[in-house]
Amino acid sequence: NAGVTQTPKFQVLKTGQSMTLQCAQDMNHNSMYWYRQDPGMGLRLIYYSASEGTTDKGEVPNGYNVSRLNKREFSLRLESAAPSQTSVYFCASSESSGGPETQYFGPGTRLLVL
Amino acid sequence: AQRVTQPEKLLSVFKGAPVELKCNYSYSGSPELFWYVQYSRQRLQLLLRHISRESIKGFTADLNKGETSFHLKKPFAQEEDSAMYYCALRGNYGQNFVFGPGTRLSVLP
Repeated sequence: NAGVTQTPKFQVLKTGQSMTLQCAQDMNHNSMYWYRQDPGMGLRLIYYSASEGTTDKGEVPNGYNVSRLNKREFSLRLESAAPSQTSVYFCASSESSGGPETQYFGPGTRLLVL
Repeated sequence: AQRVTQPEKLLSVFKGAPVELKCNYSYSGSPELFWYVQYSRQRLQLLLRHISRESIKGFTADLNKGETSFHLKKPFAQEEDSAMYYCALRGNYGQNFVFGPGTRLSVLP
Protein backbone atom coordinates (compact mmCIF):
# COMPACT_ATOMS: atom_id res chain seq x y z
CA ASN A 1 0.00 0.00 0.00
CA ALA A 2 1.29 3.43 -0.93
CA GLY A 3 -0.98 5.08 1.64
CA VAL A 4 -1.56 8.74 0.79
CA THR A 5 0.28 10.13 -2.22
CA GLN A 6 0.55 13.74 -3.37
CA THR A 7 1.77 15.39 -6.53
CA PRO A 8 3.71 17.51 -7.20
CA LYS A 9 6.30 17.53 -4.40
CA PHE A 10 7.38 21.08 -5.13
CA GLN A 11 5.98 23.89 -7.28
CA VAL A 12 6.84 27.50 -8.00
CA LEU A 13 4.07 29.74 -9.29
CA LYS A 14 3.81 33.37 -10.27
CA THR A 15 1.08 35.49 -8.73
CA GLY A 16 -2.15 34.93 -10.63
CA GLN A 17 -1.27 31.52 -12.02
CA SER A 18 -3.46 28.54 -11.31
CA MET A 19 -2.62 24.98 -10.38
CA THR A 20 -4.13 21.81 -8.98
CA LEU A 21 -2.61 19.72 -6.22
CA GLN A 22 -3.44 16.06 -6.51
CA CYS A 23 -4.01 13.61 -3.68
CA ALA A 24 -4.88 9.92 -3.73
CA GLN A 25 -5.26 7.24 -1.07
CA ASP A 26 -5.46 3.48 -1.45
CA MET A 27 -6.79 2.62 2.01
CA ASN A 28 -10.48 2.80 1.09
CA HIS A 29 -10.93 5.68 3.52
CA ASN A 30 -14.13 7.67 3.57
CA SER A 31 -12.77 11.05 4.64
CA MET A 32 -10.09 13.15 3.04
CA TYR A 33 -8.60 16.50 4.08
CA TRP A 34 -6.42 19.32 2.82
CA TYR A 35 -4.27 21.25 5.31
CA ARG A 36 -1.71 23.98 4.99
CA GLN A 37 1.28 24.13 7.32
CA ASP A 38 2.83 27.47 8.15
CA PRO A 39 5.54 28.23 10.72
CA GLY A 40 4.09 28.96 14.14
CA MET A 41 0.56 28.16 13.04
CA GLY A 42 0.53 24.40 12.88
CA LEU A 43 -1.79 22.69 10.43
CA ARG A 44 -4.90 24.55 9.38
CA LEU A 45 -7.74 22.80 7.62
CA ILE A 46 -8.59 24.19 4.20
CA TYR A 47 -11.30 21.81 3.00
CA TYR A 48 -12.43 18.32 3.81
CA SER A 49 -14.59 15.64 2.31
CA ALA A 50 -16.44 13.40 4.75
CA SER A 51 -17.46 11.00 2.00
CA GLU A 52 -17.41 10.62 -1.74
CA GLY A 53 -19.49 13.35 -3.31
CA THR A 54 -19.36 15.78 -0.39
CA THR A 55 -16.99 18.63 0.41
CA ASP A 56 -17.01 21.23 3.17
CA LYS A 57 -15.03 24.29 4.09
CA GLY A 58 -12.50 24.19 6.86
CA GLU A 59 -10.81 26.99 8.75
CA VAL A 60 -9.07 28.74 5.80
CA PRO A 61 -10.94 27.99 2.53
CA ASN A 62 -10.61 31.37 0.80
CA GLY A 63 -8.70 31.20 -2.47
CA TYR A 64 -9.10 27.43 -2.83
CA ASN A 65 -11.49 24.96 -4.38
CA VAL A 66 -11.63 21.20 -4.07
CA SER A 67 -13.00 18.21 -5.93
CA ARG A 68 -13.65 14.76 -4.54
CA LEU A 69 -13.29 13.00 -7.84
CA ASN A 70 -14.01 9.55 -6.43
CA LYS A 71 -13.37 7.74 -3.18
CA ARG A 72 -9.62 7.64 -3.82
CA GLU A 73 -8.88 11.13 -5.07
CA PHE A 74 -9.24 14.61 -3.59
CA SER A 75 -7.75 17.56 -5.46
CA LEU A 76 -7.07 21.11 -4.31
CA ARG A 77 -7.14 23.96 -6.83
CA LEU A 78 -5.71 27.44 -6.60
CA GLU A 79 -7.46 29.52 -9.27
CA SER A 80 -5.31 32.62 -8.91
CA ALA A 81 -2.30 32.08 -6.70
CA ALA A 82 -1.20 34.75 -4.24
CA PRO A 83 2.06 35.04 -2.24
CA SER A 84 0.03 34.43 0.94
CA GLN A 85 -0.60 30.92 -0.34
CA THR A 86 3.08 30.05 -0.13
CA SER A 87 3.01 27.11 2.24
CA VAL A 88 3.38 23.38 2.59
CA TYR A 89 0.19 21.56 1.74
CA PHE A 90 -0.72 18.21 3.25
CA CYS A 91 -3.43 15.84 2.21
CA ALA A 92 -4.74 13.35 4.76
CA SER A 93 -7.34 10.61 4.93
CA SER A 94 -9.16 8.77 7.68
CA GLU A 95 -11.51 5.83 7.82
CA SER A 96 -14.44 7.66 9.51
CA SER A 97 -16.39 4.49 10.13
CA GLY A 98 -17.52 5.48 13.61
CA GLY A 99 -14.60 3.99 15.49
CA PRO A 100 -11.37 5.57 16.73
CA GLU A 101 -9.99 7.95 14.13
CA THR A 102 -6.46 8.17 12.85
CA GLN A 103 -5.43 10.52 10.09
CA TYR A 104 -2.86 9.33 7.58
CA PHE A 105 -0.87 12.05 5.89
CA GLY A 106 0.76 12.42 2.51
CA PRO A 107 4.35 13.61 2.10
CA GLY A 108 3.34 17.20 1.41
CA THR A 109 3.60 19.66 -1.48
CA ARG A 110 5.83 22.66 -1.01
CA LEU A 111 4.39 25.64 -2.89
CA LEU A 112 6.14 28.93 -3.50
CA VAL A 113 4.18 31.80 -5.00
CA LEU A 114 6.29 34.68 -6.27
CA ALA B 1 -14.69 26.83 19.98
CA GLN B 2 -12.06 24.15 19.77
CA ARG B 3 -8.51 25.30 20.31
CA VAL B 4 -5.15 23.67 20.98
CA THR B 5 -2.16 25.53 22.36
CA GLN B 6 1.44 24.42 22.62
CA PRO B 7 3.34 27.12 24.49
CA GLU B 8 6.84 26.09 23.44
CA LYS B 9 7.93 26.59 19.84
CA LEU B 10 11.28 24.97 20.54
CA LEU B 11 12.40 22.68 23.32
CA SER B 12 16.01 21.59 23.67
CA VAL B 13 17.12 18.86 26.08
CA PHE B 14 20.20 16.72 26.45
CA LYS B 15 20.19 13.03 25.65
CA GLY B 16 19.05 11.03 28.67
CA ALA B 17 17.17 13.95 30.24
CA PRO B 18 13.42 13.87 30.83
CA VAL B 19 11.27 15.71 28.36
CA GLU B 20 7.76 17.13 28.60
CA LEU B 21 5.98 18.77 25.69
CA LYS B 22 3.02 20.78 26.86
CA CYS B 23 -0.41 20.82 25.29
CA ASN B 24 -3.53 22.58 26.51
CA TYR B 25 -6.90 22.60 24.86
CA SER B 26 -10.25 24.31 25.05
CA TYR B 27 -13.37 22.29 24.35
CA SER B 28 -16.65 22.11 26.20
CA GLY B 29 -17.20 18.36 25.87
CA SER B 30 -14.99 15.28 26.09
CA PRO B 31 -12.63 15.37 23.13
CA GLU B 32 -10.24 12.85 21.69
CA LEU B 33 -6.63 13.99 22.06
CA PHE B 34 -3.72 12.94 19.90
CA TRP B 35 -0.02 13.53 19.48
CA TYR B 36 1.36 13.52 15.95
CA VAL B 37 5.07 13.59 15.11
CA GLN B 38 6.97 14.68 12.01
CA TYR B 39 10.56 13.51 11.76
CA SER B 40 12.92 15.26 9.38
CA ARG B 41 12.00 14.57 5.75
CA GLN B 42 9.17 12.28 6.77
CA ARG B 43 5.43 12.69 6.72
CA LEU B 44 3.31 13.48 9.73
CA GLN B 45 2.30 10.35 11.62
CA LEU B 46 0.28 9.45 14.67
CA LEU B 47 2.37 8.95 17.80
CA LEU B 48 -0.33 8.17 20.31
CA ARG B 49 -3.93 8.91 21.29
CA HIS B 50 -5.34 9.26 24.78
CA ILE B 51 -8.04 6.61 24.45
CA SER B 52 -5.42 3.92 23.82
CA ARG B 53 -3.52 4.69 27.01
CA GLU B 54 -0.42 3.34 25.33
CA SER B 55 3.28 4.05 25.47
CA ILE B 56 4.90 4.52 22.08
CA LYS B 57 8.67 4.85 21.71
CA GLY B 58 8.79 5.49 25.45
CA PHE B 59 6.36 8.42 25.24
CA THR B 60 3.21 8.67 27.32
CA ALA B 61 0.52 11.29 27.61
CA ASP B 62 -2.20 11.63 30.20
CA LEU B 63 -5.39 13.51 29.63
CA ASN B 64 -6.08 15.84 32.55
CA LYS B 65 -9.62 17.09 32.12
CA GLY B 66 -9.40 19.38 35.13
CA GLU B 67 -6.43 21.24 33.69
CA THR B 68 -7.51 20.63 30.07
CA SER B 69 -4.04 19.37 29.30
CA PHE B 70 -2.51 16.48 27.40
CA HIS B 71 1.22 16.80 27.98
CA LEU B 72 3.61 14.39 26.26
CA LYS B 73 6.34 12.91 28.43
CA LYS B 74 9.38 10.70 28.11
CA PRO B 75 11.71 9.92 31.03
CA PHE B 76 14.91 9.62 28.98
CA ALA B 77 15.14 11.50 25.69
CA GLN B 78 17.03 10.01 22.74
CA GLU B 79 18.60 11.86 19.81
CA GLU B 80 16.20 10.13 17.43
CA ASP B 81 13.32 11.81 19.25
CA SER B 82 14.27 15.10 17.63
CA ALA B 83 11.25 16.08 15.55
CA MET B 84 8.27 18.38 15.30
CA TYR B 85 5.43 17.38 17.62
CA TYR B 86 1.82 18.41 17.15
CA CYS B 87 -0.97 18.03 19.65
CA ALA B 88 -4.41 17.60 18.09
CA LEU B 89 -8.00 17.48 19.27
CA ARG B 90 -11.13 15.98 17.79
CA GLY B 91 -14.53 16.83 19.19
CA ASN B 92 -16.92 14.14 20.33
CA TYR B 93 -19.52 14.85 17.68
CA GLY B 94 -17.39 13.82 14.75
CA GLN B 95 -15.89 17.23 14.26
CA ASN B 96 -12.66 17.66 12.43
CA PHE B 97 -9.22 17.61 13.91
CA VAL B 98 -7.75 20.83 15.28
CA PHE B 99 -3.98 20.98 15.50
CA GLY B 100 -1.77 23.02 17.77
CA PRO B 101 1.08 25.15 16.39
CA GLY B 102 3.66 22.46 17.12
CA THR B 103 6.78 22.17 19.25
CA ARG B 104 10.15 21.37 17.77
CA LEU B 105 12.06 19.03 20.06
CA SER B 106 15.81 19.02 19.75
CA VAL B 107 17.69 16.35 21.70
CA LEU B 108 21.34 17.27 22.03
CA PRO B 109 24.14 14.71 22.33
